[in-house]
Amino acid sequence: QVQLQESGPGLVKPSETLSLTCTVSGSSFSSYCWSWIRQPAGKGLEYIGRICTSGSTNYDPSLKSRVTMSVDTSKNQFSLKLSSVTAADTAVYYCARVKAEDYGDYLDYWGQGTLVTVSS
Amino acid sequence: SYVLTQPPSVSVAPGQTARITCGGNNIRSKNVHWYQQQPGQAPVLVVYDDSDRPSGIPERFSGSNSGNTATLTITRVEAGDEADFYCQVWDSSSDLVVFGGGTKLTVL
Repeated sequence: QVQLQESGPGLVKPSETLSLTCTVSGSSFSSYCWSWIRQPAGKGLEYIGRICTSGSTNYDPSLKSRVTMSVDTSKNQFSLKLSSVTAADTAVYYCARVKAEDYGDYLDYWGQGTLVTVSS
Repeated sequence: SYVLTQPPSVSVAPGQTARITCGGNNIRSKNVHWYQQQPGQAPVLVVYDDSDRPSGIPERFSGSNSGNTATLTITRVEAGDEADFYCQVWDSSSDLVVFGGGTKLTVL
């Protein structure tokens, strides 16, 4: 059974860097790409970006200047760093597995999500 | 960038059929995927590639895609189906996942 688990600080100060890790089990890690999605309280899903185990990445343009994703295949983990955070970055952050097809990607397994609050 | 439009809310009585729409320019040319998010939980994929269901998703959930509108249909709606539903496509021009704004399904 595929499982994803987010981990990282639940509180980050403004202007600092948010760092989260997603640990994957029950899946062939190297065969997939992996994504981060966030959801501010009471709002919809926001796609942050994707990383493949080759190291290739693609980020949403609105966050691209502040986002870095990385992958550690030896630990079946991938990570998100979001710099210069503000209160607007407060959200539940989800990691998910990307199912890539000829006609595009969808997200077939999701982590439970982790709330990150930006506050001093 | 590609825009998906969903109604904010849909209400239906138990046992009836709910239809949740997702509008987009020539959306029929894209594969549409649907997620159900129950309160306080992570999204779950309920329909992929317009009309396929992942293992474990009831047959009551089905999808269609035509013209400028994709539709998620839930038959014999139950109280437990109350949730937010999101449609999603892949925008080939940007190589990015795009979500609709979400629809809250209320079971009366």
